[in-house]
Amino acid sequence: GENVEQHPSTLSVQEGDSAVIKCTYSDSASNYFPWYKQELGKGPQLIIDIRSNVGEKKDQRIAVTLNKTAKHFSLHITETQPEDSAVYFCAASINYGQNFVFGPGTRLSVLP
Amino acid sequence: GAVVSQHPSRVICKSGTSVKIECRSLDFQATTMFWYRQFPKKSLMLMATSNEGSKATYEQGVEKDKFLINHASLTLSTLTVTSAHPEDSSFYICSARTPGGANYGYTFGSGTRLTVV
Repeated sequence: GENVEQHPSTLSVQEGDSAVIKCTYSDSASNYFPWYKQELGKGPQLIIDIRSNVGEKKDQRIAVTLNKTAKHFSLHITETQPEDSAVYFCAASINYGQNFVFGPGTRLSVLP
Repeated sequence: GAVVSQHPSRVICKSGTSVKIECRSLDFQATTMFWYRQFPKKSLMLMATSNEGSKATYEQGVEKDKFLINHASLTLSTLTVTSAHPEDSSFYICSARTPGGANYGYTFGSGTRLTVV
C-alpha cells in the first residue's frame, strides 16, 4: 500500500522567511496530493492541493510542486507569519481522493 | 464554502459507556464520509469509510463492533464508540468529499476529543 513520508518533523523559521516541507510517496498510481493545516484542537483544513497532471500550483503565499518521476511533492510558504504556525500534513491518494494516506506531519513554528 | 459540522467537540465518559459522535454536511450532500482517529502529535489514521445507505468499510485492525458507524442520510454520519475504555481516548475526526466538479476537495470536521475515565 501507499506510504507517505514527510520531512522535517519540526521546523522553526523567522517571520518573513520561507518554509519548505517535503513529502515522498511510494505508490506511483497516486494522483491527488493535498496539504492540510491543523491548528491545536481543530480539524485539518485544506490549504492547497495538486493533481498528478500538474507540476506546480500557487495560491498567494503558498505553492506546491510535484515531481512524479521522483515521487515527491513539496509545500512552500513564503513571507511566513506567526499565524502560519501549525501542524501541516501532506497526503496522497489514488482515484483523486479515495483512500487518503497522510504523512506524519510537520510542526511549523514562525518566530516573531 | 462547504462545511462539515462535528459534535460534540469534547466529551468525557466513564469506562463501559457508549459515546456517539455526529458528523453533518451543511448545505451539501455527502454520500461518503470518512472517520479518522488521531493520537497526540500523530498523523490521522483512517478508521472507516461511511457510505450512505450501506455498511461502512472498516480499515484493517479497526473493530467494527466497537466503532459503530451509521450513515442513514446524505447529510449525517455517526460514529458510536461502544463500551469505551481509556485506550479509546483520542481525537476523532470526520471528513466528507465536497462537490464542485473539477474543483472538489475534502472537508474535515472540527474533531471530537474523547476522554474515557
